[in-house]
Amino acid sequence: NAGVTQTPKFRVLKTGQSMTLLCAQDMNHEYMYWYRQDPGMGLRLIHYSVGEGTTAKGEVPDGYNVSRLKKQNFLLGLESAAPSQTSVYFCASSYLSSDQPQHFGDGTRLSIL
Amino acid sequence: GQQLNQSPQSMFIQEGEDVSMNCTSSSIFNTWLWYKQDPGEGPVLLIALYKAGELTSNGRLTAQFGITRKDSFLNISASIPSDVGIYFCAGQGNTGNQFYFGTGTSLTVIP
Repeated sequence: NAGVTQTPKFRVLKTGQSMTLLCAQDMNHEYMYWYRQDPGMGLRLIHYSVGEGTTAKGEVPDGYNVSRLKKQNFLLGLESAAPSQTSVYFCASSYLSSDQPQHFGDGTRLSIL
Repeated sequence: GQQLNQSPQSMFIQEGEDVSMNCTSSSIFNTWLWYKQDPGEGPVLLIALYKAGELTSNGRLTAQFGITRKDSFLNISASIPSDVGIYFCAGQGNTGNQFYFGTGTSLTVIP
């Protein structure tokens, strides 16, 4: 089993460019999450989804959009990248309820110049 | 957002020593999780706790859900070099679907 797979693993963007990060899970999990990890800040929740076709805002949603068109995929979009969005982005998924442990991907390292 | 205070921020210990770290919050949590993150990888779940006072072990690791429900502790016994990494706590309360993460404890084990 692949678990949670994130694509791409690395990316460098110029300010103002747009891009989409892809997260795919093969565990039939209902819940999916996008976090960003910055030095000294721990993991902060950007957006999450409690099932196919649903999305909700997390702690730091500004500047990001998400979509969950298929249960196994959760997309994170940056419409106009800013240097403040330079970070490591992690996707996670969990089974049937939000109190279940989350399984993480290996991250996408994004640099905005 | 919810603030989780995790301490210590970093630890340098000799191989074979025991390690203790803790996490505290300003509000009550119903679930505590402990994760380990290796460089270049995502966090991996170590232990999950669901009841106040619960003490759970996973090999040399033992974690406890504090009685006040505002704290949790992780102990590692007889540390080995592969214990090196960053350890994160995460807690979830009554409101919403969100887990809040601590800022991590960086562990270095000196052979």
